[in-house]
Amino acid sequence: QVQLVESGGGVVQPGGSLRLSCEASGFNFRGFALHWVRRAPGKGLEWVAVVFYDGNEKNYADSVKGRFTIFRNNSRNTVHLQMDNMRVDDTAVYYCARQESRRFDYWGQGTRVTVSS
Amino acid sequence: QSALTQPASVSGSPGQSITISCTGTSSDIGNYNLVSWYQHYPGNAPQLIIFESSRRPSGVSNRFSGSKSGNTASLTISGLLIEDEADYFCCSYAGSSTWIFGGGTKLTVL
Repeated sequence: QVQLVESGGGVVQPGGSLRLSCEASGFNFRGFALHWVRRAPGKGLEWVAVVFYDGNEKNYADSVKGRFTIFRNNSRNTVHLQMDNMRVDDTAVYYCARQESRRFDYWGQGTRVTVSS
Repeated sequence: QSALTQPASVSGSPGQSITISCTGTSSDIGNYNLVSWYQHYPGNAPQLIIFESSRRPSGVSNRFSGSKSGNTASLTISGLLIEDEADYFCCSYAGSSTWIFGGGTKLTVL
């Protein structure tokens, strides 16, 4: 069955960096685009970034553009989110999600990120 | 881009029906028939319950239904169950490989 397992969350100071990972299994990894979506405390879901099949095409929400980098390793079935110059408002649970025809059909359980001094 | 607009909360009694609205613009909901809805129990993985505005994934109860008119999408849950109490989010493709979510609606089943 399809599984997405996130890791790498933790506590980081403002201006710091963190790398999230998502390990996928149960499907043809390179055949799907993968996304990161976050949910801040008391807030709604927010789309963060997408990386397409071979990893060359990617896109970001304006709120993270220039600070976050999404990339994938198709030989290891992993997708990562490198977060730099982090801000307090990046505090959230970050979810990895698989895209099927412009919908998110499978999600991981999430990894918690806290940005605080 | 601002989030899609959803009511912050809705409530209903077991057995009743409720509808959650999701309002966007002509750049997102109004321009694509690509609205999806997600049920989220905090601490768990969100679950897709409606896609392409009105289609249900296999395994999702037919008590969940969706529709779209113009810039507004709607999710209806009929025959409310206690277990339906969760947060619900709409999402629309917004073009150029971007997606936009709604602010979320907390459903309380009284």
